[in-house]
Amino acid sequence: DAMVIQNPRYQVTQFGKPVTLSCSQTLNHNVMYWYQQKSSQAPKLLFHYYDKDFNNEADTPDNFQSRRPNTSFCFLDIRSPGLGDAAMYLCATSVWGHRNTEAFFGQGTRLTVV
Amino acid sequence: ILNVEQSPQSLHVQEGDSTNFTCSFPSSNFYALHWYRWETAKSPEALFVMTLNGDEKKKGRISATLNTKEGYSYLYIKGSQPEDSATYLCAFNAGGTSYGKLTFGQGTILTVHP
Repeated sequence: DAMVIQNPRYQVTQFGKPVTLSCSQTLNHNVMYWYQQKSSQAPKLLFHYYDKDFNNEADTPDNFQSRRPNTSFCFLDIRSPGLGDAAMYLCATSVWGHRNTEAFFGQGTRLTVV
Repeated sequence: ILNVEQSPQSLHVQEGDSTNFTCSFPSSNFYALHWYRWETAKSPEALFVMTLNGDEKKKGRISATLNTKEGYSYLYIKGSQPEDSATYLCAFNAGGTSYGKLTFGQGTILTVHP
């Protein structure tokens, strides 16, 4: 059974039209992450939440926002998508405080901007 | 900026061949090194989380070693099977203020031909 679920799997949006990607988890993990992966590149961390504490990466564009209304759900909002924002977006969860803990990933959302 | 490099970028092998690939990472501020397998249309799944210099871990035909002093890890697959075809990602956890966040390499794409 999937423990980290991302919706939708594929999203097509128009240039400049706001879009929201969603992630839910059944693991009750306290940390949730959003990664962006462009073709043939390493997944890049955009931001993460420790409980409700939001942590933005210094180089994450202002165009990207996130919300975590409760433990189970986390959203990625792209306010004005550009062609350069087309990518795979991965959500992940983990437990803060255990060195050996792995991250659990969703299947990703493939975003296309037209 | 943390730099995690994987080589080779892609690899084609025949069924039954053994293969290995490399992950290099900063040798300072080491906390943990993760290996993930990412099959097409699925979620990345953890193979190993390695924390101690000299660690060797094994799961079936797949094993990994860790050298934190020189900053590298090797992943070995013995007797490759077509179902091993996937992207293999390594990720570095620097601990400290980066605790819990993963910096990924760009991955090694493995294709095993029957």
